[in-house]
This record gives sequence, structure tokens and C-alpha cells, in this order.
Amino acid sequence: AQSVTQLGSHVSVSEGALVLLRCNYSSSVPPYLFWYVQYPNQGLQLLLKYTTGATLVKGINGFEAEFKKSETSFHLTKPSAHMSDAAEYFCAVRVNQAGTALIFGKGTTLSVSS
Amino acid sequence: SAVISQKPSRDICQRGTSLTIQCQVDSQVTMMFWYRQQPGQSLTLIATANQGSEATYESGFVIDKFPISRPNLTFSTLTVSNMSPEDSSIYLCSVADLGRGEQYFGPGTRLTVT
Repeated sequence: AQSVTQLGSHVSVSEGALVLLRCNYSSSVPPYLFWYVQYPNQGLQLLLKYTTGATLVKGINGFEAEFKKSETSFHLTKPSAHMSDAAEYFCAVRVNQAGTALIFGKGTTLSVSS
Repeated sequence: SAVISQKPSRDICQRGTSLTIQCQVDSQVTMMFWYRQQPGQSLTLIATANQGSEATYESGFVIDKFPISRPNLTFSTLTVSNMSPEDSSIYLCSVADLGRGEQYFGPGTRLTVT
């Protein structure tokens, strides 16, 4: 069965600092991996995804993530945090089968201080 | 990406009553999903709704409690029946873009049961 573990329920960084949000997954088949962001009182917005091909994927708002099969990880990074990045971030995995729904991690709250 | 709207955006209901949540998509989609996000928690899949077939429920969710309709390719409803305070959650509708391998989420319905 697929599962997702997000290490750290709360991450705090200063504006301009590196953002690193950790995600490890478990999957019996090649996974499709996703990062979503949820701003307060809003729905989820897709940041980026990995399906096949290049293991370093770039998303919106300057975020990127690297798929590392040997480490079963898909950590999210951003070189320089901005105040507007403060939100809840969810890592999710989908089995490599059409139409299968997502399994989400517990989420990481990112706080950015000035 | 698909644009998804949900009605109502929020509601406060009394225990023992039922609430029907509507999900409208701006394009035809084969697969729709309903998720629950309990306060401070991650998202949990309730059921998958395909047009023309019965919804498929995840473990822990039953049709009598969460009946779902999917009358066409752009619309679905989720009913939360005989509500209790434990049903207080955000309920999110999601659709799958099978071609892009992505899922998009509606803004959610924030339900409070008193």
C-alpha cells in the first residue's frame, strides 16, 4: 500500500532563507508524486508533480522538488522564502494507474518571519 | 486546469440533520473524488464518483452516511447524513485530469455541526 510521511509538522524560516520541506513515500509500484499548497481558508493548489522522466521538477512560485528513488524521497525546496509562502504544504502519492485517487501526508505548516 | 466550484462554502448545522454539498466543474471529467479534511488534519478520501456508476467508498465511509450522486460529467453532490459534531470538517471535491496525470481541488465546504 502507498503511504506518505512528511517530517516536521511545522517549519519556520526567515524571509530570504532556504525552504526545505521533507517528504518520504512508500509505494509498491513506480509512484506519481505531488506537492500541494493550501493557503488559509482556501482549497489546494498544485505546486508541482513528478510522474516519469527528469527527477528534478520545477513548479510554480519558485518551488522545486527532486525525486530520489534510492531514498524514497520527494523533498520540496525554494532557495529564498517570501512572506507569501506561509501556508500548509501537502505531499501526496498516486499509484501509477489511471484515475487512482491521492494519498496525502499529514502536512507541514510553513511560517516565514521578517 | 479545471475550475471547480462548491456550494455552500460554509454552513453551520444542527446534529441529526443532513447537508448536501454541490460540486460543479467547468469541463467534462470522468473521475471525481470527495475528500474530508478534519480540523488540523490532512485530507482523507471518502469516495470516488464516476458518472454512470455507483460511487466507490473507502474504508470507514459508507453510502448511508455519505450518499453521492453523479448525474453527469460536470456535477456531483455529497450528502452528509444524520450529522454529529464529529462530522465537522472541510469537504473538498476533486477532479482528475487523466491526460496530465493531475488532480484539481475545489475551494472546499467548511461544515460545523453543533
